[in-house]
Amino acid sequence: DARVTQTPRHKVTEMGQEVTMRCQPILGHNTVFWYRQTMMQGLELLAYFRNRAPLDDSGMPKDRFSAEMPDATLATLKIQPSEPRDSAVYFCASGLEGGFTEAFFGQGTRLTVV
Amino acid sequence: RKEVEQDPGPFNVPEGATVAFNCTYSNSASQSFFWYRQDCRKEPKLLMSVYSSGNEDGRFTAQLNRASQYISLLIRDSKLSDSATYLCVVKGDRDDKIIFGKGTRLHILP
Repeated sequence: DARVTQTPRHKVTEMGQEVTMRCQPILGHNTVFWYRQTMMQGLELLAYFRNRAPLDDSGMPKDRFSAEMPDATLATLKIQPSEPRDSAVYFCASGLEGGFTEAFFGQGTRLTVV
Repeated sequence: RKEVEQDPGPFNVPEGATVAFNCTYSNSASQSFFWYRQDCRKEPKLLMSVYSSGNEDGRFTAQLNRASQYISLLIRDSKLSDSATYLCVVKGDRDDKIIFGKGTRLHILP
């Protein structure tokens, strides 16, 4: 059963520390999305890739967030330095480009910055 | 104006009733539309796509009005298991950008 895998599932860290979240998209999917979900803002698109190339990262705070796809099986989202306001659930999703192709979500990383 | 707007609810509806949600989107170039469902502390999952002619999947009916830029979801004969947050989703044309509304919370009451 193909699925998007995210690690870690939970992360508690102190303010100022670096946080790295990882995502393994479904094999064969060529679009990868990073979302952040909070009660106040809902699901916000942070960045997304097509064929490993970043298409749009305008939703990310550029000074502290970075997203990369070192290869087709791994996407990373880094926060450095982390701040309490970064506390949220971070979801990775993957899909195929074009038309009515859905995005499949991982289970998310629940990040708490204290 | 938000790209995708939904009434956050909550909608408290007795079991067996019919409930409808609407959603509006701002980008007239949007091409694909979906409803996702999200259970508490879980990831969003596709409920159904929304086609121009409208489509039905069991108790669920989705409609699209391009002229007014809104999408609707109708749930008939609601079940307790329908309690969840329903997310309206819009996908761009060439850029494949997928934007979610904040969701509408639905509580089905026994």
